[in-house]
Amino acid sequence: KAGVTQTPRYLIKTRGQQVTLSCSPISGHRSVSWYQQTPGQGLQFLFEYFSETQRNKGNFPGRFSGRQFSNSRSEMNVSTLELGDSALYLCASSFVGLQLTDTQYFGPGTRLTVL
Amino acid sequence: DAKTTQPNSMESNEEEPVHLPCNHSTISGTDYIHWYRQLPSQGPEYVIHGLTSNVNNRMASLAIAEDRKSSTLILHRATLRDAAVYYCILRDSNYQLIWGAGTKLIIKP
Repeated sequence: KAGVTQTPRYLIKTRGQQVTLSCSPISGHRSVSWYQQTPGQGLQFLFEYFSETQRNKGNFPGRFSGRQFSNSRSEMNVSTLELGDSALYLCASSFVGLQLTDTQYFGPGTRLTVL
Repeated sequence: DAKTTQPNSMESNEEEPVHLPCNHSTISGTDYIHWYRQLPSQGPEYVIHGLTSNVNNRMASLAIAEDRKSSTLILHRATLRDAAVYYCILRDSNYQLIWGAGTKLIIKP
């Protein structure tokens, strides 16, 4: 079974631009979560989608948004990029998500650099 | 949010057991304890999880204190490939994983 894939793997943008990152979950997984990882803040939860609906949201500004398609693939968008948005963006998929024992499977991440 | 406390880093010799501690003194009765690890330049990967009883799988063992305020991840025979950042995480009633800073495990050959 193929793992979680994220595209692109690396991205360089300038301040003020917007960016869209893509995540394809493991086949059969319907929950997709997004995380931001920085050296200073560690792993921080952005949001989680299930069946095309956002179920959970972390404490990030409205510039961060996402969506999920009917095939469970997900995209996240960051508008008006700031230098502080430079980070590794990780996508994780799980079967249903809303179970305390659910295991998350992570992709390799997209390294975003904002200049 | 329930939080965990882990040492910043630990060192161990190759082929010896490693005990990674985690404190979670504010854990609630329904919080599951999850462990993930992140190898260099990779996304995190699941290691093990438990609620009250000790758990074993092919990767590791999880020993949970009787009062559940602490737990220990045990790697029975560490190899160089086990060098990673290990995260002890509580999955709370909101189903979110609350990540701490983790423990950087250094394996010496």
